[in-house]
Amino acid sequence: NAGVTQTPKFQVLKTGQSMTLQCAQDMNHEYMSWYRQDPGMGLRLIHYSVGAGITDQGEVPNGYNVSRSTTEDFPLRLLSAAPSQTSVYFCASSHDRGPGGYTFGSGTRLTVV
Amino acid sequence: AQSVTQPDIHITVSEGASLELRCNYSYGATPYLFWYVQSPGQGLQLLLKYFSGDTLVQGIKGFEAEFKRSQSSFNLRKPSVHWSDAAEYFCAVGLTGNQFYFGTGTSLTVIP
Repeated sequence: NAGVTQTPKFQVLKTGQSMTLQCAQDMNHEYMSWYRQDPGMGLRLIHYSVGAGITDQGEVPNGYNVSRSTTEDFPLRLLSAAPSQTSVYFCASSHDRGPGGYTFGSGTRLTVV
Repeated sequence: AQSVTQPDIHITVSEGASLELRCNYSYGATPYLFWYVQSPGQGLQLLLKYFSGDTLVQGIKGFEAEFKRSQSSFNLRKPSVHWSDAAEYFCAVGLTGNQFYFGTGTSLTVIP
């Protein structure tokens, strides 16, 4: 089925470890973003990309890195995990710049101990 | 500061009752406006969107929303709530540059 696929669904990390959250979409969407969802804070934008080779920071980029080597993939890297990065992470993609709205993945629940 | 506000953290309604979820935004120009629904353990699903034209927009699952420019509001409504509507609802605005900003969400409980 067409959509946004995120892996893994669950992950536990120790403080200081690094890891990559994977995101892939098969809808040929140009725009992709990473959000984190925390209780009472809604979704906050971490990084976004408007096309292959182009990325930019969102509201809360510190501690995260992204790259966009292909249209399909937009991985999110945690460089040195901290307990404050315990959250649910959502990847989303969109065909157009604004009006279309996003298609979201099902999320990755990350716990940093 | 630019913001999206959902003033109701949690709402409880009886099945069959009407529903209105509030959303206000503070941006200079009229942004693109969206409502999303999130069922437990799931990602967000787009319910409806507004970016121009008729200020009353229809969405999926029987939801509608009305854009009121004078009030900077985009409230979500449903005439008769079903138990399956219990979920978290997020209002969002889309600005140029493909940046979306979300409200903090309203949790809906439906009682039989």
